[in-house]
Order: sequence, then C-alpha cells, then structure tokens
Amino acid sequence: AQKVTQAQTEISVVEKEDVTLDCVYETRDTTYYLFWYKQPPSGELVFLIRRNSFDEQNEISGRYSWNFQKSTSSFNFTITASQVVDSAVYFCALSEADTDKLIFGTGTRLQVFP
Amino acid sequence: AAGVIQSPRHLIKEKRETATLKCYPIPRHDTVYWYQQGPGQDPQFLISFYEKMQSDKGSIPDRFSAQQFSDYHSELNMSSLELGDSALYFCASSSGQGNSGANVLTFGAGSRLTVL
Repeated sequence: AQKVTQAQTEISVVEKEDVTLDCVYETRDTTYYLFWYKQPPSGELVFLIRRNSFDEQNEISGRYSWNFQKSTSSFNFTITASQVVDSAVYFCALSEADTDKLIFGTGTRLQVFP
Repeated sequence: AAGVIQSPRHLIKEKRETATLKCYPIPRHDTVYWYQQGPGQDPQFLISFYEKMQSDKGSIPDRFSAQQFSDYHSELNMSSLELGDSALYFCASSSGQGNSGANVLTFGAGSRLTVL
C-alpha cells in the first residue's frame, strides 16, 4: 500500500530561519515519483519539484533544497532563510509508475513570522 | 502563460441538488485530473482522463460522473449533493500520457462547493 506521512502538522519560524519539512513515504513499487506542492493561503496548488526513484541526487533551487534518501524512504524539503511569503501548507506526494493517482500527505502548515 | 481554468470558483447548493464544475486545461495538455480537498484535508484523487477516455479512477462516489470533451475541457457532475460534498475541487492537467506517475500536474485555482 502507498502512503505518505508528514508528521509535522504545523511549524512556526521567524523570518530568516532555516526550516526543514519532513516527508516519509511507503510503496512496494521500485519505480515511483515524489513531489512537493505548495498551497498558499489563496488556495491553489503550486508544483515545486518531482524526483524519480532512480535519482537520489539532492537538488537545490534558490532557497529551496530537497534531500531524497531511499534508505530511509524520506524526501525532506528545506527552506533556507525563510521569508513571510513562504507561509503556506506544503504537501509531499507520491505516485507510482502506472497510475495517474497522486497520493498526498496530510500537509505541513508553515508560518513564517516577520 | 495560460493556466488551468476552473469555473465556477464558488458554488453554493442545497442538499440533494446537482452541481457541475468545469475545467479548461492548459492548451496542448491532453490529460485532465480531478481532486477533492475537504476542509483541513489533503487532496484526494477522484478521476482522470487521457484523450477523452477515462484513464484512472480513485475514490469518486457513484453520485459523481465526469467526462472529457473533444476540446479537452472536462466537466465534473455531482448529483444528490450531501453536506459532506462541501470541499475544494481541483482540476489539473498534464501533457503526459495517461496512467503515468511521472506526469507533472498543473492545478487550477479550484472550485469551492458549499452544500447547505
């Protein structure tokens, strides 16, 4: 069975702090894809990143970085020098190779205070 | 750049009524997905279409139906509405083939349905 766990329900930080959002997944497939989406207060879902199961290389995009570790089934997301505009709910999601279905975690609400 | 367009953005209905949500995908995207997000919940996959055929099916109630038309827009029809159907309904589109977990979905802004 596939499952995505985001144990942190809510995180509050002060601007310029670094913050890491945890994501642990479960799947029996050897080919799968992991995603992060951002849902700001306006409600839309914004794609941030996709990784496939064969590519464990970590990725950095500006203040965002992702750490994918198959050994621990984790795909964690770090925001460096957080800003108020980073305040949102962040969803980690999993899909397997032959399906359209994205399985979302329960989300982590990040609040960045000035 | 054109995004996924959903209409209406807000809809209020009474119990047992019918509602129809529309979705216009990004041009040249041939796969459309529907998700339901209840208050404080994560989005749940309902159904998807690739080239006007149902591609995959999730936890869509029997009271709901959907289809993709020749111009690739999609409609989600919901009948005999219940209070529990109150949610944010997202449509997403991708340019990838159906039934592929690799597809990157671009989501619309959502249609908020309130059932009274």
